[in-house]
Amino acid sequence: AQRVTQPEKLLSVFKGAPVELKCNYSYSGSPELFWYVQYSRQRLQLLLRHISRESIKGFTADLNKGETSFHLKKPFAQEEDSAMYYCALIHTSGTYKYIFGTGTRLKVLA
Amino acid sequence: EAGVAQSPRYKIIEKRQSVAFWCNPISGHATLYWYQQILGQGPKLLIQFQNNGVVDDSQLPKDRFSAERLKGVDSTLKIQPAKLEDSAVYLCASSLAGDVDTQYFGPGTRLTVL
Repeated sequence: AQRVTQPEKLLSVFKGAPVELKCNYSYSGSPELFWYVQYSRQRLQLLLRHISRESIKGFTADLNKGETSFHLKKPFAQEEDSAMYYCALIHTSGTYKYIFGTGTRLKVLA
Repeated sequence: EAGVAQSPRYKIIEKRQSVAFWCNPISGHATLYWYQQILGQGPKLLIQFQNNGVVDDSQLPKDRFSAERLKGVDSTLKIQPAKLEDSAVYLCASSLAGDVDTQYFGPGTRLTVL
Protein backbone atom coordinates (compact mmCIF):
# COMPACT_ATOMS: atom_id res chain seq x y z
CA ALA A 1 0.00 0.00 0.00
CA GLN A 2 1.15 3.52 -0.71
CA ARG A 3 2.07 5.33 2.45
CA VAL A 4 4.03 8.32 3.69
CA THR A 5 5.42 8.22 7.20
CA GLN A 6 6.66 11.19 9.19
CA PRO A 7 7.84 9.73 12.50
CA GLU A 8 8.14 13.00 14.41
CA LYS A 9 5.08 14.99 15.39
CA LEU A 10 7.18 17.78 16.83
CA LEU A 11 10.75 18.83 16.26
CA SER A 12 12.30 21.65 18.27
CA VAL A 13 15.68 23.14 17.36
CA PHE A 14 17.54 26.28 18.27
CA LYS A 15 18.04 29.08 15.80
CA GLY A 16 21.15 28.45 13.74
CA ALA A 17 21.10 24.70 14.33
CA PRO A 18 20.71 22.20 11.48
CA VAL A 19 17.27 20.81 10.76
CA GLU A 20 16.26 17.44 9.37
CA LEU A 21 12.59 16.52 9.01
CA LYS A 22 12.22 12.84 8.31
CA CYS A 23 9.99 11.30 5.68
CA ASN A 24 9.80 7.68 4.59
CA TYR A 25 7.53 6.29 1.97
CA SER A 26 6.12 3.02 0.76
CA TYR A 27 5.34 2.92 -2.92
CA SER A 28 5.65 0.44 -5.76
CA GLY A 29 7.05 2.12 -8.81
CA SER A 30 8.80 5.43 -9.26
CA PRO A 31 7.47 7.93 -6.75
CA GLU A 32 7.20 11.64 -7.13
CA LEU A 33 7.78 13.27 -3.74
CA PHE A 34 7.04 16.69 -2.37
CA TRP A 35 7.22 18.80 0.75
CA TYR A 36 4.36 21.11 1.67
CA VAL A 37 4.48 23.74 4.40
CA GLN A 38 1.82 25.54 6.41
CA TYR A 39 2.88 28.62 8.35
CA SER A 40 0.74 29.86 11.20
CA ARG A 41 -2.53 31.30 9.94
CA GLN A 42 -1.55 30.66 6.33
CA ARG A 43 -2.56 28.17 3.68
CA LEU A 44 -0.92 24.93 2.86
CA GLN A 45 1.60 25.57 0.10
CA LEU A 46 4.11 23.64 -1.95
CA LEU A 47 7.67 24.01 -0.68
CA LEU A 48 9.64 21.82 -3.03
CA ARG A 49 9.50 18.75 -5.25
CA HIS A 50 12.20 16.17 -5.69
CA ILE A 51 12.31 16.31 -9.48
CA SER A 52 13.29 19.97 -9.37
CA ARG A 53 16.33 19.30 -7.20
CA GLU A 54 16.11 22.90 -6.04
CA SER A 55 16.72 24.71 -2.78
CA ILE A 56 13.82 26.74 -1.50
CA LYS A 57 14.29 29.04 1.49
CA GLY A 58 17.49 27.16 2.20
CA PHE A 59 15.72 23.79 2.34
CA THR A 60 16.75 20.80 0.27
CA ALA A 61 15.50 17.24 0.05
CA ASP A 62 17.11 14.26 -1.64
CA LEU A 63 15.21 11.21 -2.73
CA ASN A 64 16.94 8.07 -1.48
CA LYS A 65 15.30 5.13 -3.20
CA GLY A 66 17.40 2.59 -1.34
CA GLU A 67 16.18 3.84 2.03
CA THR A 68 12.81 4.97 0.64
CA SER A 69 13.33 8.35 2.26
CA PHE A 70 12.90 11.98 1.32
CA HIS A 71 14.19 13.91 4.32
CA LEU A 72 13.98 17.71 4.37
CA LYS A 73 17.12 19.50 5.48
CA LYS A 74 18.36 22.96 6.23
CA PRO A 75 21.83 23.72 7.57
CA PHE A 76 20.88 26.72 9.72
CA ALA A 77 17.33 27.04 11.05
CA GLN A 78 15.65 30.43 11.30
CA GLU A 79 12.73 31.41 13.50
CA GLU A 80 10.57 32.02 10.45
CA ASP A 81 10.95 28.36 9.52
CA SER A 82 8.60 27.45 12.35
CA ALA A 83 5.63 25.78 10.69
CA MET A 84 3.88 22.51 9.97
CA TYR A 85 5.62 20.44 7.30
CA TYR A 86 3.94 17.68 5.30
CA CYS A 87 5.68 15.15 3.11
CA ALA A 88 3.59 13.85 0.22
CA LEU A 89 3.81 11.61 -2.80
CA ILE A 90 1.86 11.54 -6.01
CA HIS A 91 0.04 8.28 -6.56
CA THR A 92 0.35 7.69 -10.29
CA SER A 93 -1.53 4.43 -10.74
CA GLY A 94 -4.96 5.29 -12.05
CA THR A 95 -5.84 8.78 -10.91
CA TYR A 96 -2.97 11.06 -10.07
CA LYS A 97 -3.48 12.18 -6.48
CA TYR A 98 -1.55 13.21 -3.43
CA ILE A 99 -0.98 11.01 -0.43
CA PHE A 100 0.12 13.09 2.54
CA GLY A 101 2.01 12.17 5.68
CA THR A 102 0.77 13.16 9.11
CA GLY A 103 3.05 16.17 9.33
CA THR A 104 5.82 17.41 11.60
CA ARG A 105 5.61 20.64 13.52
CA LEU A 106 8.94 22.45 13.48
CA LYS A 107 9.62 24.94 16.25
CA VAL A 108 12.72 27.04 15.96
CA LEU A 109 13.67 28.48 19.32
CA ALA A 110 15.44 31.79 19.73
CA GLU B 1 -3.98 36.83 -8.26
CA ALA B 2 -6.90 35.85 -6.06
CA GLY B 3 -6.49 32.55 -4.31
CA VAL B 4 -8.90 29.74 -3.65
CA ALA B 5 -11.86 30.97 -1.63
CA GLN B 6 -13.82 28.89 0.83
CA SER B 7 -16.80 29.56 3.06
CA PRO B 8 -17.73 29.37 5.79
CA ARG B 9 -14.45 29.37 7.68
CA TYR B 10 -15.95 27.74 10.75
CA LYS B 11 -19.06 25.69 11.33
CA ILE B 12 -20.44 24.01 14.43
CA ILE B 13 -23.36 21.61 14.09
CA GLU B 14 -24.91 18.78 16.02
CA LYS B 15 -24.69 15.20 14.83
CA ARG B 16 -27.33 14.17 12.33
CA GLN B 17 -27.58 17.73 11.01
CA SER B 18 -26.63 18.70 7.46
CA VAL B 19 -23.88 21.07 6.39
CA ALA B 20 -22.56 22.45 3.12
CA PHE B 21 -19.24 23.99 2.20
CA TRP B 22 -18.50 26.20 -0.77
CA CYS B 23 -15.33 26.61 -2.81
CA ASN B 24 -14.37 29.01 -5.56
CA PRO B 25 -11.14 27.96 -7.30
CA ILE B 26 -8.54 30.13 -8.95
CA SER B 27 -9.81 31.46 -12.26
CA GLY B 28 -8.85 29.17 -15.11
CA HIS B 29 -8.14 26.14 -12.93
CA ALA B 30 -9.98 23.21 -14.42
CA THR B 31 -9.18 20.76 -11.64
CA LEU B 32 -10.71 21.09 -8.18
CA TYR B 33 -10.08 18.94 -5.13
CA TRP B 34 -11.77 18.48 -1.78
CA TYR B 35 -9.67 17.16 1.09
CA GLN B 36 -10.56 16.15 4.62
CA GLN B 37 -7.94 16.81 7.30
CA ILE B 38 -8.68 15.27 10.67
CA LEU B 39 -6.72 16.64 13.62
CA GLY B 40 -3.25 15.13 13.74
CA GLN B 41 -3.42 13.73 10.23
CA GLY B 42 -2.48 14.89 6.78
CA PRO B 43 -5.03 15.92 4.17
CA LYS B 44 -6.93 13.04 2.57
CA LEU B 45 -8.43 13.45 -0.89
CA LEU B 46 -12.20 13.05 -0.92
CA ILE B 47 -13.04 13.97 -4.49
CA GLN B 48 -11.38 15.39 -7.58
CA PHE B 49 -13.18 17.20 -10.40
CA GLN B 50 -11.95 17.97 -13.89
CA ASN B 51 -14.23 20.77 -15.04
CA ASN B 52 -17.66 19.47 -14.00
CA GLY B 53 -16.80 15.77 -14.18
CA VAL B 54 -15.69 13.56 -11.32
CA VAL B 55 -12.21 12.10 -11.81
CA ASP B 56 -11.82 10.33 -8.47
CA ASP B 57 -14.24 9.90 -5.60
CA SER B 58 -12.93 6.61 -4.29
CA GLN B 59 -12.45 7.93 -0.75
CA LEU B 60 -15.70 9.85 -0.51
CA PRO B 61 -18.16 8.26 1.96
CA LYS B 62 -21.01 8.35 -0.49
CA ASP B 63 -23.67 7.35 2.00
CA ARG B 64 -23.42 10.77 3.61
CA PHE B 65 -21.10 12.96 1.55
CA SER B 66 -21.88 14.50 -1.82
CA ALA B 67 -20.18 17.08 -3.98
CA GLU B 68 -20.96 18.88 -7.16
CA ARG B 69 -19.37 21.31 -9.57
CA LEU B 70 -22.24 21.97 -11.91
CA LYS B 71 -20.79 24.71 -14.10
CA GLY B 72 -17.19 23.64 -13.81
CA VAL B 73 -16.24 26.54 -11.56
CA ASP B 74 -17.58 26.71 -8.00
CA SER B 75 -18.11 23.57 -5.99
CA THR B 76 -20.09 22.55 -2.95
CA LEU B 77 -19.44 19.68 -0.57
CA LYS B 78 -22.34 18.46 1.55
CA ILE B 79 -22.56 16.16 4.53
CA GLN B 80 -25.94 14.71 5.41
CA PRO B 81 -26.29 13.55 8.14
CA ALA B 82 -23.12 14.50 9.97
CA LYS B 83 -21.39 12.20 12.43
CA LEU B 84 -18.99 13.06 15.24
CA GLU B 85 -16.09 11.62 13.24
CA ASP B 86 -16.69 14.16 10.47
CA SER B 87 -15.14 16.86 12.65
CA ALA B 88 -12.20 18.04 10.57
CA VAL B 89 -10.88 20.81 8.37
CA TYR B 90 -12.20 20.58 4.84
CA LEU B 91 -9.74 21.92 2.33
CA CYS B 92 -10.44 22.88 -1.23
CA ALA B 93 -7.62 23.09 -3.75
CA SER B 94 -7.36 23.80 -7.44
CA SER B 95 -4.84 23.34 -10.21
CA LEU B 96 -4.44 23.80 -13.91
CA ALA B 97 -5.65 20.85 -15.91
CA GLY B 98 -3.06 18.10 -15.88
CA ASP B 99 -0.86 19.84 -13.29
CA VAL B 100 -1.74 17.77 -10.26
CA ASP B 101 1.66 18.50 -8.75
CA THR B 102 0.98 22.17 -8.21
CA GLN B 103 -2.18 22.56 -6.18
CA TYR B 104 -3.25 25.81 -4.57
CA PHE B 105 -5.11 25.39 -1.33
CA GLY B 106 -7.86 27.44 0.21
CA PRO B 107 -7.94 28.44 3.88
CA GLY B 108 -10.19 25.55 4.80
CA THR B 109 -13.46 25.18 6.70
CA ARG B 110 -13.19 23.90 10.25
CA LEU B 111 -16.19 21.70 11.04
CA THR B 112 -17.05 20.70 14.58
CA VAL B 113 -19.77 18.11 15.05
CA LEU B 114 -21.16 17.96 18.60
